[in-house]
Amino acid sequence: AQSVSQHNHHVILSEAASLELGCNYSYGGTVNLFWYVQYPGQHLQLLLKYFSGDPLVKGIKGFEAEFIKSKFSFNLRKPSVQWSDTAEYFCAVMGDSNYQLIWGAGTKLIIKP
Amino acid sequence: EAGVAQSPRYKIIEKRQSVAFWCNPISGHATLYWYQQILGQGPKLLIQFQNNGVVDDSQLPKDRFSAERLKGVDSTLKIQPAKLEDSAVYLCASSPSPGTQYFGPGTRLTVL
Repeated sequence: AQSVSQHNHHVILSEAASLELGCNYSYGGTVNLFWYVQYPGQHLQLLLKYFSGDPLVKGIKGFEAEFIKSKFSFNLRKPSVQWSDTAEYFCAVMGDSNYQLIWGAGTKLIIKP
Repeated sequence: EAGVAQSPRYKIIEKRQSVAFWCNPISGHATLYWYQQILGQGPKLLIQFQNNGVVDDSQLPKDRFSAERLKGVDSTLKIQPAKLEDSAVYLCASSPSPGTQYFGPGTRLTVL
């Protein structure tokens, strides 16, 4: 069965620190990979996605993620976080058979000003 | 472009009562999803529609939950009767094709 694991449920960083949020998935076939973000009081929105091609994907607001197929990973990174990055981040996987998203449990990121 | 609309935003009911949620997807999006998101967890798919047909409802508790998308546009999700464990945020998302899903603000349901 497909599954997604996000390693940290809560992360607290200071402004300007570097960020890496882990995401590992379990799926035997071709995958599409997503990171969604939910800012306080707002709805889920797409941060970035990987379908094919360059495994290093750049998204909005300076975020990027790298797909490492051999490690079944799709970690999210940002070199220097801002207070406005405080949000909950969800990794999701879509298999090529039913186009449904399987979600991780999310990581709550708090940036201290 | 207008986003996915959902109503109500909040609902408080007592157990054994019934409740209905409404979703209006982005215009032209053929695929519509309903998710349940319990606090501290990621969204869990309840049902997926393609136009007005059901693609997957394998995780919908059909003894109490029902959903319809009669004209292939708006959709309603109903719970009857509600249980305490149904307290969650109910998310609607739409997609023009397999791939990126666009989410509404959700309905936060509290069952007392």
